[in-house]
Amino acid sequence: GDSVTQMEGPVTLSEEAFLTINCTYTATGYPSLFWYVQYPGEGLQLLLKATKADDKGSNKGFEATYRKETTSFHLEKGSVQVSDSAVYFCALTEKSQGGSEKLVFGKGTKLTVNP
Amino acid sequence: KAGVTQTPRYLIKTRGQQVTLSCSPISGHRSVSWYQQTPGQGLQFLFEYFSETQRNKGNFPGRFSGRQFSNSRSEMNVSTLELGDSALYLCASSLNPLGLSQETQYFGPGTRLLVL
Repeated sequence: GDSVTQMEGPVTLSEEAFLTINCTYTATGYPSLFWYVQYPGEGLQLLLKATKADDKGSNKGFEATYRKETTSFHLEKGSVQVSDSAVYFCALTEKSQGGSEKLVFGKGTKLTVNP
Repeated sequence: KAGVTQTPRYLIKTRGQQVTLSCSPISGHRSVSWYQQTPGQGLQFLFEYFSETQRNKGNFPGRFSGRQFSNSRSEMNVSTLELGDSALYLCASSLNPLGLSQETQYFGPGTRLLVL
């Protein structure tokens, strides 16, 4: 089946540092790609998505570009804040034989931002 | 609009027991998916329901089952609990089956199950 590999954490940064979390995928078709964020004690929230090659998803200062040639969807932010501390999940859509879709997630990367 | 709600939030059971978890989707949402989150395996898809029908199923044993009611609320059941079933169970809802590329799937806060 399809799979997502994201960089092992944890990642610890100082406030205002540049963030990159690497994500690569393996898929038979042309999936949509997502970044979800999970704050402590909460469920997942969609951070951004891209549905086709070369699309750039962006939200709250975070960006990721769908790179089909390198099968990657790296998450970046120019200047992180303490409030960005959370676990970040890269995910893709996988279609079943019946046509419905499910999300396939990476293992998650825990980010801690220190003041 | 209220978000996805899951009950109970925390649950402690012993091996061999069974458990039922409940999920109420966002009003108007007809698709409900369930995921299991563990430190070792990460987030894994359990199943998805739409209009009371299971449309997709992950690679879990038959001890894991679910259903959806006419009001779109969903329940999942785990029978004969094992220690390895300890996890955070997340429910997610979306409007209808246009596909996740075109819709946002909204997640609930999860039910944390501990099996002793």
